Amino acid sequence: EVQLVESGGGSVQPGGSLRLSCSASGFTFSSFAMHWVRQAPGKGLEYVSALSYNGGSTYYADSVKGRFTISRDNSKNTLYLQMSSLGAEDTAVYYCARRYSSDWFFSDYWGQGTLVTVSS
Amino acid sequence: EIVLTQSPGTLSLSPGERVTLSCRASQSVSSSFLAWYQQKPGQAPRLLIYEASSRATGIPDRFSGSGSGTDFTLTISKLEPEDFAVYYCQQYGSSPYTFGQGTKLEIK
Repeated sequence: EVQLVESGGGSVQPGGSLRLSCSASGFTFSSFAMHWVRQAPGKGLEYVSALSYNGGSTYYADSVKGRFTISRDNSKNTLYLQMSSLGAEDTAVYYCARRYSSDWFFSDYWGQGTLVTVSS
Repeated sequence: EIVLTQSPGTLSLSPGERVTLSCRASQSVSSSFLAWYQQKPGQAPRLLIYEASSRATGIPDRFSGSGSGTDFTLTISKLEPEDFAVYYCQQYGSSPYTFGQGTKLEIK
């Protein structure tokens, strides 16, 4: 069974940093590209970042470019999102999701999400 | 950037009814690279449909998708109580990969 479990969310002050983790199991993690998707309270979905199976190719939404860094450790079956210079607009539930296939940018399995709150 | 507009914003229906949700793109979505997701309160999205009309693994056949170009639809042939949720479309034909704003299906 595919499982994705996010951790690392919490409250942070504006301008602060946070690192999210996503632990994967139930599939060959090193064979799949992975995504981070966020959802602000009461709002829709936004692809934040993505990383190819081997870490060689990245995607960032314009809203986070230069502030967020995605990475992975295939030996630990873990995906990361390093977030810095956080602002109130980054407050959201952050979901880790698996890309269906390398060529098709949509997500077939999702974690339950971790809440990031940016507030003074 | 392709903007996806979903309509209506909210639909009030009864179990057993048939419903069609709309997703309109601001420009053509290449190769019908459009997906649909279902999200229930407090839960992660669940993939329903990809490539406009292919059902994801384990999705009941009462869910069907169609469309091409700029106009796409998701049809639920006979609403079950568990189908009341928010539905999102997402295009993956061109970067940035964007979602619609969602359609909420509520029980009448």
